[in-house]
Amino acid sequence: DAGVTQSPTHLIKTRGQHVTLRCSPISGHKSVSWYQQVLGQGPQFIFQYYEKEERGRGNFPDRFSARQFPNYSSELNVNALLLGDSALYLCASSLFGQGAGGYTFGSGTRLTVV
Amino acid sequence: EDKVVQSPLSLVVHEGDTVTLNCSYEVTNFRSLLWYKQEKKAPTFLFMLTSSGIEKKSGRLSSILDKKELFSILNITATQTGDSAVYLCAVELGAGSYQLTFGKGTKLSVIP
Repeated sequence: DAGVTQSPTHLIKTRGQHVTLRCSPISGHKSVSWYQQVLGQGPQFIFQYYEKEERGRGNFPDRFSARQFPNYSSELNVNALLLGDSALYLCASSLFGQGAGGYTFGSGTRLTVV
Repeated sequence: EDKVVQSPLSLVVHEGDTVTLNCSYEVTNFRSLLWYKQEKKAPTFLFMLTSSGIEKKSGRLSSILDKKELFSILNITATQTGDSAVYLCAVELGAGSYQLTFGKGTKLSVIP
């Protein structure tokens, strides 16, 4: 069974550009969450989607947005990139909105903003 | 503000040693506490704890939760070099938004 798939694996962008990151959850999982992990820190919650609806939003500016598609895959969009957006972006999928079955993480997208 | 604090932040041990990693938390709407191991990128799931005093074990790893004192420990016995990683503690919050609040992690280095 395929795990959580994220693309691309690495990305270099220039300040002011926008970026779209993609995530495919484990088959059958209906919830996707996004996390930002800056070097040396634990992951920080950005969004959770369940059944295509936003269920939670972390303390991130409006430049960050996301959506979930009918097949439960998800996109994270970041506009007007800043140097401080450089981080590992992790996607986690779970069966339901809560992690009764645990949260499974993808390998992440390493975003570098120059 | 919800807070998860891990200690120590880093640890160097020799193969065969036993280590104890600590995680304390102050959160509203506690649902569960999870431990993850992060070697390169993807955090891999170790344990989910919801009830106090019930130890969970998987091979050389074990963990327990104390909901009265608001902490958890992760024990690793007979450490191996393959145990070298960052160990992340996360608290799952409930009440509609099931987000994970992570600590900064403990970087464990096991030397031969």
